[in-house]
Amino acid sequence: EAAVTQSPRNKVAVTGGKVTLSCNQTNNHNNMYWYRQDTGHGLRLIHYSYGAGSTEKGDIPDGYKASRPSQENFSLILELATPSQTSVYFCASGPGQPNERLFFGHGTKLSVL
Amino acid sequence: GDKVKQSPSALSLQEGTNSALRCNFSIAATTVQWFLQNPRGSLINLFYLVPGTKENGRLKSAFDSKESYSTLHIRDAQLEDSGTYFCAAEDNTGKLTFGDGTVLTVKP
Repeated sequence: EAAVTQSPRNKVAVTGGKVTLSCNQTNNHNNMYWYRQDTGHGLRLIHYSYGAGSTEKGDIPDGYKASRPSQENFSLILELATPSQTSVYFCASGPGQPNERLFFGHGTKLSVL
Repeated sequence: GDKVKQSPSALSLQEGTNSALRCNFSIAATTVQWFLQNPRGSLINLFYLVPGTKENGRLKSAFDSKESYSTLHIRDAQLEDSGTYFCAAEDNTGKLTFGDGTVLTVKP
């Protein structure tokens, strides 16, 4: 089974502060993704990456940056956190085409006060 | 979401009964994935589908790309099947779009 590990599991941040969410996968998958999930909704794509050094904008990238320094690690960065970014964030990895089956981490619950 | 519509939004089942969840797409979906988010919040990948059907134990899923829908059938529902089921459709750019989920409650 694919292993995707997120840290931290929970985070409380102050408005205007910088937040970094980390994700590590040990499956040698090319693709990695960051989603957010808000109450009563599905997942929305923030940023994704096709491999080390690559980052691409998803559907809701505003207010977020991403970094993929290696095949294994993909970070989501909130330079100036706002209360509207309070959410649960999920990282996922996938092997890439032609079989992009995704495996998710356990999620990070972020509260911005 | 608008591009991937799941129905019903919520469902309550008696243990041991059968049901079906549905996903309709307004995008040209090339593949479909079904996930279960359990009460702890973890997302478990149930199926990855190209057009056709797959079966795994009490679960069976079908994807019809021409008619733009997918179904997930649950047979002999068990308490541990409770959770939120999400479908996600992949378009020809490789991007995955999620539906808003079906909340399933299985009662003894």
